[in-house]
Amino acid sequence: AQTVTQSQPEMSVQEAETVTLSCTYDTSESDYYLFWYKQPPSRQMILVIRQEAYKQQNATENRFSVNFQKAAKSFSLKISDSQLGDAAMYFCAYRSANTGNQFYFGTGTSLTVIP
Amino acid sequence: KAGVTQTPRYLIKTRGQQVTLSCSPISGHRSVSWYQQTPGQGLQFLFEYFSETQRNKGNFPGRFSGRQFSNSRSEMNVSTLELGDSALYLCASSLLGGEQFFGPGTRLTVL
Repeated sequence: AQTVTQSQPEMSVQEAETVTLSCTYDTSESDYYLFWYKQPPSRQMILVIRQEAYKQQNATENRFSVNFQKAAKSFSLKISDSQLGDAAMYFCAYRSANTGNQFYFGTGTSLTVIP
Repeated sequence: KAGVTQTPRYLIKTRGQQVTLSCSPISGHRSVSWYQQTPGQGLQFLFEYFSETQRNKGNFPGRFSGRQFSNSRSEMNVSTLELGDSALYLCASSLLGGEQFFGPGTRLTVL
């Protein structure tokens, strides 16, 4: 089975600074999708960014961007100009393109934004 | 479009009881997945339903079961509750091949 590893249980960043959250995954497949989800203290999980494995270009959504290294099986999330509202749990997730809709999640990184 | 809704939001049960949680997906979404979230364990996949059929199942005991109705609404049931079943249960819906949209979760406490 695929595994997703987030090695940073907690991270902190100063407001307006940049922070990078790490994620690695293990798979033997070549076609898959990767996601970063954000879960604020209110608990509603929302999608931050998505990356298709067949695309070499790194995905970007406003202040959020990823560094996707397929050979290294690494998928890090960079948050630029951090804001207080970015404080949340961040989960990295993997989904195969071939075996249904099952998502595999990492254990999460708790991000604190310091004013 | 209304988001994913889950009922109830909070539930307190005692050991040995059973519980049923409900999830209404986003209109048009036919895939519904369930997750158990506990501190330190992240999200553990329970099962996924698509068009009333269970397509994938996680590594949970048979006490955990689910079903999906023709309108795509889904229920999950946990029988013979144990203390370790205390968790946030999240439901997510999606179009086939799309990203998952999560509900607010049901917080289950087993005493």
